[in-house]
Order: sequence, then structure tokens, then C-alpha cells
Amino acid sequence: DAVMTQSPLSLPVTLGQPASISCRSSQSLVYSDGITYLTWFQQRPGQSPRRLIYKVSNRDSGVPDRFSGSGSGTDFTLKISRVEAEDVGVYYCMQGTHWPLTFGQGTRLEIK
Amino acid sequence: EVQLLESGGGLVQPGGSLRLSCAASGFTFSNYAMGWVRQTPGKGLEWVSEISGSGGNRFYADSVKGRFTISRDNSKNTLYLQMNSLRAEDTAVYYCAKEVASESYGHFPSWGQGTLVTVSS
Repeated sequence: DAVMTQSPLSLPVTLGQPASISCRSSQSLVYSDGITYLTWFQQRPGQSPRRLIYKVSNRDSGVPDRFSGSGSGTDFTLKISRVEAEDVGVYYCMQGTHWPLTFGQGTRLEIK
Repeated sequence: EVQLLESGGGLVQPGGSLRLSCAASGFTFSNYAMGWVRQTPGKGLEWVSEISGSGGNRFYADSVKGRFTISRDNSKNTLYLQMNSLRAEDTAVYYCAKEVASESYGHFPSWGQGTLVTVSS
């Protein structure tokens, strides 16, 4: 299985400051079609997961442009340029390249 | 607007069975693969199962293979998860999630609100 490892697991951030979450895979996430199926989800307290970023760097409709995704191969990053109060929650990466689909452990973002 | 509404969760004894349903609306159900993802209390997300739009292809996590069965009724716009031989470690919130195409997996742009399954004596 492709093991997804996120860091840090806890991320205290001051409002207005940037935040960065790392996600590393135990296997390359480049599929045979050349596309890298790495997705980021946000789960706010008491809510279902919400997709933010797909195929490494594509933002979903309605996602603020302060969220960005980057990376390649096995190393990926989710960045928030300026954290706002509504960004509190847990962030998960997920790989869709290999069966079984696997998620990272989650990174809990809180306001410092 | 895509809407996914899970139901069927509850308290069940170890070894028991439960069937979850996910009623879909706002899109042409048969055109999209669907999946189940679970979240154990206070912990992370775990992929459980997926099914193609036609229902002809099904995929399972090793942890549920042979015990859970995913199915769909495209005439009723409903996804199901039949869970047998339930164990304490199956206790979780179960989410259904929509895919982006009939034979495309691991994208999950839309999720339901989840239904809680508790396996305990």
C-alpha cells in the first residue's frame, strides 16, 4: 500500500500568517497516464470532508486562492498564504493512484 | 446541486449486520462511480469501497473484503453498503462520496454528511 505521511500533525498558526503542510508518499504517485492523483481535503469541526485541491495543484470551485498545492512524485505541499479563522480544522492528503486508496493521518490546524 | 444523504447507521452487536444507504440527487447517478469512506472516532479517514457507475466493477479495502458488499440501484439513485460480521473496529462514521466519472476513482469531489455505526455489546 502507498503509505501517506503528513507533517506536522499539529499546526498552530497566527491569524494572517502563512501555513504549510507536507505530505509524503511511500511510492511515486505518477499514474500510467502521466497524471499525479494527489488530493487535499479540509474537514472543519463537526463537518464532512471537503475537497480543496485535486491532481496536486488544481483548486476546487469556491476554494479561496490563498490555498495552493504543489509537489511531484512522492513529495507534496499544501500552503495557505494567510490563515483565516475559518481555516481551522483537519487537513488530509489522499492518493488516488494506487489501490487501495490511502489517506494521510491528518494535520490539525489551530489558531495560536 | 449534488446532495448525498446517508442512513442506516446505528448500534449493532459484534458479529451482527447492518445495511447503509446513500440517497443521491442533483446529478445523473448512473454516470458516476461512488464510494464509501469511514472515519473512526477522533481519528482519520479510511477508504472502504468503491463501485463503478454501472455497478460492474467493485473494489474493497482488505480490512472489509469478504464482510462488506457495495451495491447500487440506479433506478432509485441509491448506493448501499451491506456490512456483515461486524467488529468493534468497524465503529466509525461512514461517508458516501461521489466520483467524477463512471469508471474514475479516488477523486471524491462531493461527500455526504455521514452516518454513525457503533459495534458494541
